[in-house]
Amino acid sequence: AQSVSQHNHHVILSEAASLELGCNYSYGGTVNLFWYVQYPGQHLQLLLKYFSGDPLVKGIKGFEAEFIKSKFSFNLRKPSVQWSDTAEYFCAVNPASGTYKYIFGTGTRLKVLA
Amino acid sequence: DAGVTQSPTHLIKTRGQHVTLRCSPISGHKSVSWYQQVLGQGPQFIFQYYEKEERGRGNFPDRFSARQFPNYSSELNVNALLLGDSALYLCASSLGVGLNTEAFFGQGTRLTVV
Repeated sequence: AQSVSQHNHHVILSEAASLELGCNYSYGGTVNLFWYVQYPGQHLQLLLKYFSGDPLVKGIKGFEAEFIKSKFSFNLRKPSVQWSDTAEYFCAVNPASGTYKYIFGTGTRLKVLA
Repeated sequence: DAGVTQSPTHLIKTRGQHVTLRCSPISGHKSVSWYQQVLGQGPQFIFQYYEKEERGRGNFPDRFSARQFPNYSSELNVNALLLGDSALYLCASSLGVGLNTEAFFGQGTRLTVV
């Protein structure tokens, strides 16, 4: 079955620290890849997406992600986090097969200490 | 511009009751998908509709049903509610279906079954 794994369930960082959240998926064909953020009490918001082309994708708020096809990975990075980045982060995959549903990982709760 | 709107935002139901959740997509979007997000997990796909036809169904029991109306709004119905149906129900709209389409999520309906 197609699945998405986010290995870090809870991450605590101090402000200005660098962030990397892992995301791996299990599907060998063409995929669209996404990172969403969910701030407390708010709806899912798109941070960045990969459809095709340059595997290094830049998103909003200084986030970026790199698609490594050989590793089935799409890790999220930010060089210097801020207190306002405290939120839950979800990786999602839209595989090119059958129903074009989004398959989400279980999420990573990030807490940034001021 | 109005985003995806869902109603109600919160509701409490008793086991065995029926519930109807509503979603209005972004203007111009013809596809609506429904997801269930249980606390501590990522959203799970329930249904996808495009041009009023069901295009996909996730691994949910027949107690869950949905439909899309001519104006592309959608309803999710759940019969014979169980405690385990307590979750945040998310609606997402997109221009179409398939690869290279981005889904926009609403704020969700928080359903509590007691």
